[in-house]
Amino acid sequence: DAGITQSPRYKITETGRQVTLMCHQTWSHSYMFWYRQDLGHGLRLIYYSAAADITDKGEVPDGYVVSRSKTENFPLTLESATRSQTSVYFCASGVSSYEQYFGPGTRLTVT
Amino acid sequence: TQLLEQSPQFLSIQEGENLTVYCNSSSVFSSLQWYRQEPGEGPVLLVTVVTGGEVKKLKRLTFQFGDARKDSSLHITAAQPGDTGLYLCAGLPSNFGNEKLTFGTGTRLTIIP
Repeated sequence: DAGITQSPRYKITETGRQVTLMCHQTWSHSYMFWYRQDLGHGLRLIYYSAAADITDKGEVPDGYVVSRSKTENFPLTLESATRSQTSVYFCASGVSSYEQYFGPGTRLTVT
Repeated sequence: TQLLEQSPQFLSIQEGENLTVYCNSSSVFSSLQWYRQEPGEGPVLLVTVVTGGEVKKLKRLTFQFGDARKDSSLHITAAQPGDTGLYLCAGLPSNFGNEKLTFGTGTRLTIIP
């Protein structure tokens, strides 16, 4: 009964390093999403996926890469982390593009 | 980008009082959702409204979708400390094929015991 999980919950990394945030859901939801949440900007969509092997850009995709080889997993990779990518990252899933169910978040700090 | 403006940004009231928060846009949405987020956690879906004028109730919370599907309100009756949190509205644009929810920046609600 895990639902949707994210790992790690907290991460500190240095500028220029590659970081991968993991997201796993047990509901077999078709849709999965990655958001970042920053003060003053609210939740902004980075990438989403309507099904395995189908991904599309959101509002702020630059500097991020996603893949979805399996329905249950949707990892987000920061190829070369920058300080501006310090944020709280939320993964979500759903049977449709609305009514999304969110994970607990990953707090990422880039130093 | 279709914007959703939420007001007020911050609201602090005494336990037992009533309150209303608003979510407004100049754009039409095919559906609108309300979420509540507590510190250190992800947003939790409260309700989805899809029909203009629709009203849904969830215990002491009443949600309404505007007739023109451009705005929504959340009314809480007899607020309790457990209602404290960040309330987010999110809309699905009405243009066909657009699957990206737009989130408002939220109303941070504090209920004082």
